[in-house]
Amino acid sequence: QVQLQESGPGLVKPSETLSLTCTVSGGSISSYYWSWIRQPAGKGLEWIGRIYTSGSTNYNPSLKSRVTMSVDTSKNQFSLKLSSVTAADTAVYYCARDRYAFDIWGQGTMVTVSS
Amino acid sequence: EIVLTQSPGTLSLSPGERATLSCRASQSVSSSYLAWYQQKPGQAPRLLIYGASSRATGIPDRFSGSGSGTDFTLTISRLEPEDFAVYYCQQYGSSPGFGQGTRLEIK
Repeated sequence: QVQLQESGPGLVKPSETLSLTCTVSGGSISSYYWSWIRQPAGKGLEWIGRIYTSGSTNYNPSLKSRVTMSVDTSKNQFSLKLSSVTAADTAVYYCARDRYAFDIWGQGTMVTVSS
Repeated sequence: EIVLTQSPGTLSLSPGERATLSCRASQSVSSSYLAWYQQKPGQAPRLLIYGASSRATGIPDRFSGSGSGTDFTLTISRLEPEDFAVYYCQQYGSSPGFGQGTRLEIK
């Protein structure tokens, strides 16, 4: 069955760029939308954005100016970059398959923004 | 932007009881593009219901969803010990969003 795994640095300095990758295994990345979602400790879920395997993107308006997503179908991976991070970006970051509902999720990766 | 408001914030019930969770949207959710998720501590959310009333793969039939327009409900007919968790509703469209969650706790 399809599984997702997030990877990337667990610690990012303020003002720098957070970079995460999600690897899709057990199935093809093609012909689906893929999303990033985050959750600060003890708080709710926030959708960050989605990418289709063609490379077309759709971002949360509140984060749009800082977000870039990309996809590498040859590696079955998609990626997130969030620039100019602050402590408010500290959260667990999830990748998920986006069939309008998020039907498959990665386990999540904790990212802390701190100097 | 569609805002989802869940109620109650916390629901205290006993195993075997029926749970009714509410999700209200600030404007109509088109084509019932409404989903429900369950999240347990330290775990990723799990999709329970999509399209307002369709159960996701492997979800027990004690979970059911209903509603349309701006008012949606998740019902758990008979609570099992493993059902105590946080539940989120979500609308999916050009800019998906989640409700703030309802915590279902053991009474």
